[in-house]
Amino acid sequence: GESVGLHLPTLSVQEGDNSIINCAYSNSASDYFIWYKQESGKGPQFIIDIRSNMDKRQGQRVTVLLNKTVKHLSLQIAATQPGDSAVYFCAETPYSTLTFGKGTMLLVSP
Amino acid sequence: DTEVTQTPKHLVMGMTNKKSLKCEQHMGHRAMYWYKQKAKKPPELMFVYSYEKLSINESVPSRFSPECPNSSLLNLHLHALQPEDSALYLCASSRDRGNEKLFFGSGTQLSVL
Repeated sequence: GESVGLHLPTLSVQEGDNSIINCAYSNSASDYFIWYKQESGKGPQFIIDIRSNMDKRQGQRVTVLLNKTVKHLSLQIAATQPGDSAVYFCAETPYSTLTFGKGTMLLVSP
Repeated sequence: DTEVTQTPKHLVMGMTNKKSLKCEQHMGHRAMYWYKQKAKKPPELMFVYSYEKLSINESVPSRFSPECPNSSLLNLHLHALQPEDSALYLCASSRDRGNEKLFFGSGTQLSVL
């Protein structure tokens, strides 16, 4: 389940489940969105992006959905694996500068 | 080569020291960035260079001084830092400034004593 603590929201799932990570973005002027994965001690790693003229984009095991009406972005990970455990950030580009959301920690248990 | 390389990986410095962080990319990218990240927080933009010229300074204190010697290199010079400046400093690059994906290095974990 999902919990929101004092710091980073955390989503705990079982291996093999599908995960959905949500993000509310702030700026209606944003027209490009990216999901990044950050493992401990590493820099953010690109997962998937979507432009504002689309509402869905699929990659390998990942899907990003964009709802501009309510300024909401989600990342779906199919058949989640322990290696997917990390912090996931959505990022938006209002005025051509990448701005990160707060992040969600995904914990995958075997 | 799709890597952004940052050195050093770890740095401990006193408040009177001067040090530099280095970043290198060989992807032919024309935009380079410095971000600062505190634990359990998202990265925050500090500086943007586009075609080797500083295009954005997000009101960063002058004790942080960026430099872009050429299109592949980005430095961040540090002087008279405060303990609250301790953080992970991330370098990134993109093909151009604008709506492009950023490639990040692994960062320099900085501790100011």
